[in-house]
Amino acid sequence: EAGVVQSPRYKIIEKKQPVAFWCNPISGHNTLYWYRQNLGQGPELLIRYENEEAVDDSQLPKDRFSAERLKGVDSTLKIQPAELGDSAVYLCASSSSGGTGIEKLFFGSGTQLSVL
Amino acid sequence: GDSVTQMEGPVTLSEEAFLTINCTYTATGYPSLFWYVQYPGEGLQLLLKATKADDKGSNKGFEATYRKETTSFHLEKGSVQVSDSAVYFCALTGAGYQKVTFGTGTKLQVIP
Repeated sequence: EAGVVQSPRYKIIEKKQPVAFWCNPISGHNTLYWYRQNLGQGPELLIRYENEEAVDDSQLPKDRFSAERLKGVDSTLKIQPAELGDSAVYLCASSSSGGTGIEKLFFGSGTQLSVL
Repeated sequence: GDSVTQMEGPVTLSEEAFLTINCTYTATGYPSLFWYVQYPGEGLQLLLKATKADDKGSNKGFEATYRKETTSFHLEKGSVQVSDSAVYFCALTGAGYQKVTFGTGTKLQVIP
């Protein structure tokens, strides 16, 4: 079974440029998460989807970040324009819906973003 | 809000040494507790979990016990190997909610 697939693996851009990250979750997983992990820190939730609906985007900086999950499968996270402080690893994770809060998260390898 | 506090690393141990990584949490209600591990160059993966007080999660020789009275979930292993070198994250989810809150991670380096 394929795991969570993310691309690209690395991205280097100049500040004020746009950037997009793509995630393909495990087949059948209804819940999809985007996390940001700063160097030396734990992952912090940006947005959580249940199918195609964003059910928790309270931590997403909506002035420059946007996300979509069309058809409730693949997801794209975009930053426009990027700032120096956006340099981080962006992680995608998925889980099967269960509503009990104890489901195992499956993580992709992440996209390491460097903003110059 | 929910939070997780881990001991700071890096932790350097010799092979076959005993490992303890401390983790305490703050949460309302009865959270589920997790340890995730991130091996070099790989994504995070679940190591073990415990869903109620006094539960013990275990996997690959690692253990952690859910202690409600001390709000702790310390990770232990009796004899570490070089292959255990990784970053370990303590995490929790509030009851009935799928948001996972992570600690800052503890890097473990095991030397031969």
